[in-house]
Amino acid sequence: DQQVKQNSPSLSVQEGRISILNCDYTNSMFDYFLWYKKYPAEGPTFLISISSIKDKNEDGRFTVFLNKSAKHLSLHIVPSQPGDSAVYFCAARGNNNDMRFGAGTRLTVKP
Amino acid sequence: EPEVTQTPSHQVTQMGQEVILRCVPISNHLYFYWYRQILGQKVEFLVSFYNNEISEKSEIFDDQFSVERPDGSNFTLKIRSTKLEDSAMYFCASTLTVNNYGYTFGSGTRLTVV
Repeated sequence: DQQVKQNSPSLSVQEGRISILNCDYTNSMFDYFLWYKKYPAEGPTFLISISSIKDKNEDGRFTVFLNKSAKHLSLHIVPSQPGDSAVYFCAARGNNNDMRFGAGTRLTVKP
Repeated sequence: EPEVTQTPSHQVTQMGQEVILRCVPISNHLYFYWYRQILGQKVEFLVSFYNNEISEKSEIFDDQFSVERPDGSNFTLKIRSTKLEDSAMYFCASTLTVNNYGYTFGSGTRLTVV
């Protein structure tokens, strides 16, 4: 099941700079997209989401952008902080109310 | 803040044995899910459950798997005859409504089949 893809397994950025995490999807029936953050030994924690009728949603340091024509979304974190270091999962939901996750991107923010 | 609680945190079982993974979703939530993550791989959907029945299941969720909400608070995942490839982190999640897309996940149960 490759409906949601995160092609970068890891990303390293300097504290204070912008982190950009990317996600692509193939199923045009997805109508809601989410980002989850996961620390080791914990379950995924919901971070931010966007409906397919929008192209941008912002929450503090986190902004999600959606490009429906390209079937692409991205999560921007600015400024990045060391505490942001975690695995970030992109997820997508269709009308059957179950989510499909990407493989995750491990973000490391260096002090 | 309300939590989804999963027990045990780690379960070791012999191949062929039955295991039951337990979850206590958030009390007023109505939709329940099981996901799993094999080490180094993506988080995979297993099953969704609403109104005391399965609403959706993936191809992973075969006849060896079953779910139950026996008493209105617990939500269990049973694997009838475990295989080595069932070793994974199993995450339970719940949400209040279909419009609440931010599922709340538990911390997971690490299942190791030996």
